[in-house]
Amino acid sequence: DAGITQSPRHKVTETGTPVTLRCHQTENHRYMYWYRQDPGHGLRLIHYSYGVKDTDKGEVSDGYSVSRSKTEDFLLTLESATSSQTSVYFCAISESTPGASNQPQHFGDGTRLSIL
Amino acid sequence: EDQVTQSPEALRLQEGESSSLNCSYTVSGLRGLFWYRQDPGKGPEFLFTLYSAGEEKEKERLKATLTKKESFLHITAPKPEDSATYLCAVHSNSGYALNFGKGTSLLVTP
Repeated sequence: DAGITQSPRHKVTETGTPVTLRCHQTENHRYMYWYRQDPGHGLRLIHYSYGVKDTDKGEVSDGYSVSRSKTEDFLLTLESATSSQTSVYFCAISESTPGASNQPQHFGDGTRLSIL
Repeated sequence: EDQVTQSPEALRLQEGESSSLNCSYTVSGLRGLFWYRQDPGKGPEFLFTLYSAGEEKEKERLKATLTKKESFLHITAPKPEDSATYLCAVHSNSGYALNFGKGTSLLVTP
C-alpha cells in the first residue's frame, strides 16, 4: 500500500470555523492532490500540487486553500467551513503526471468531515 | 469538456455469474484511462491503466479493455469478495486532473 496518511479520519465542526486537513506521504512523490467525494458525484479535484510551494486549482476550489511546505505534507484548509463542504476528502499522490509512464494516482483512506 | 459515464449504477450478481461494467468517455485527447476499486470507508485502490484502443489488462478475475469511446471491466466468475464500487477515470490533454465517473456498485452474493 502507498504510504499515505490522512488526518484526522473523522471530524465534526460548526459552520464558520476554520478546518485544516492533513495529508502525509512517505513515498517522496512529487504530485499530491485533494479530492472530495459526494453522493451523486464522482471524485472531484479541489487543488493539486506539482512540487513544494507549487499548487494550482482544480474543478471545485472555491472556499478551499492549500499549502505544501515540504514534499511529504499537503494541507487543505477550509477558512470558514460551510454545510456544503460536508463531504469525504481524499488525498492522492503520484510520482508523475497521470497517464505518464504507468504512474497512477494512489489514494489515502479519506477524512469524513461533517459541518453542522 | 471531458465526460465520463459509468453504467450500470448498481449491479447484483450471483457468485460465478460473469458480467461487464461499462465506462463511456468523451475527452479531448486521451492520455490514460484508469480503473479503481473502492471498498466502503476506504480510498480508491488502483487496478489498471489503459492507454490506447485495443489494449487489454488482466488481474485475477478482472479484465479491462479499451476502445476509442469506452472501456469495459469484465468480471469472470466473481466471488463475494469482489463486491465493491468500481470507478473509472480518464486523464486527457486538458491538465493534471483525473476526471472520474460516478462508479458502479457491484454486489456479488453467495
